[in-house]
Amino acid sequence: SAVISQKPSRDICQRGTSLTIQCQVDSQVTMMFWYRQQPGQSLTLIATANQGSEATYESGFVIDKFPISRPNLTFSTLTVSNMSPEDSSIYLCSVGGGTSRETQYFGPGTRLLVL
Amino acid sequence: GENVEQHPSTLSVQEGDSAVIKCTYSDSASNYFPWYKQELGKGPQLIIDIRSNVGEKKDQRIAVTLNKTAKHFSLHITETQPEDSAVYFCAATLGAGGTSYGKLTFGQGTILTVHP
Repeated sequence: SAVISQKPSRDICQRGTSLTIQCQVDSQVTMMFWYRQQPGQSLTLIATANQGSEATYESGFVIDKFPISRPNLTFSTLTVSNMSPEDSSIYLCSVGGGTSRETQYFGPGTRLLVL
Repeated sequence: GENVEQHPSTLSVQEGDSAVIKCTYSDSASNYFPWYKQELGKGPQLIIDIRSNVGEKKDQRIAVTLNKTAKHFSLHITETQPEDSAVYFCAATLGAGGTSYGKLTFGQGTILTVHP
């Protein structure tokens, strides 16, 4: 499986600021996704990061709040904009579309606390 | 859309016992069902998966069963060890080829504690 890294691993931010999270994969992948995991909760898909085009957002998530970039097949960023304490979560990227197209592998996550 | 229900929310067993976690899904078109293990401070790790054309799959001490008619699937861990303690998530998706490709819908998670 691909090796996935995320930066930063954790951060504490002030409300009203923005944070950009990076996801790097050690090999080219077709699919990249961003998930949110609120404290003690399950994972919710934020968006699919499309290479060379705009991300596809799930219901309840908008581009102005969570802008995503995917400049190539190994890298993506998620920005959490104008943060509030409710944005405190673990943000996870995942990759898929390898030899088993449905299979997704997750990065280690970015733990965000907004004060 | 798809809805996945997972039970129990917590499970406590003695080392060496078996553990079973059950999930039900709502969309009969779902055809791929992975299980993830998440340890504290880490991302989810894929431990086993099953596709709708298979009824059971085993990998050493873990197995997954799927009942398409009843729309439920289960994770079985035998001879549990303390290092199996973690949060386990089931998920479902329509799989490759559909417009919902890649959209994993997760269950609520099960906190498994294995006591030495």
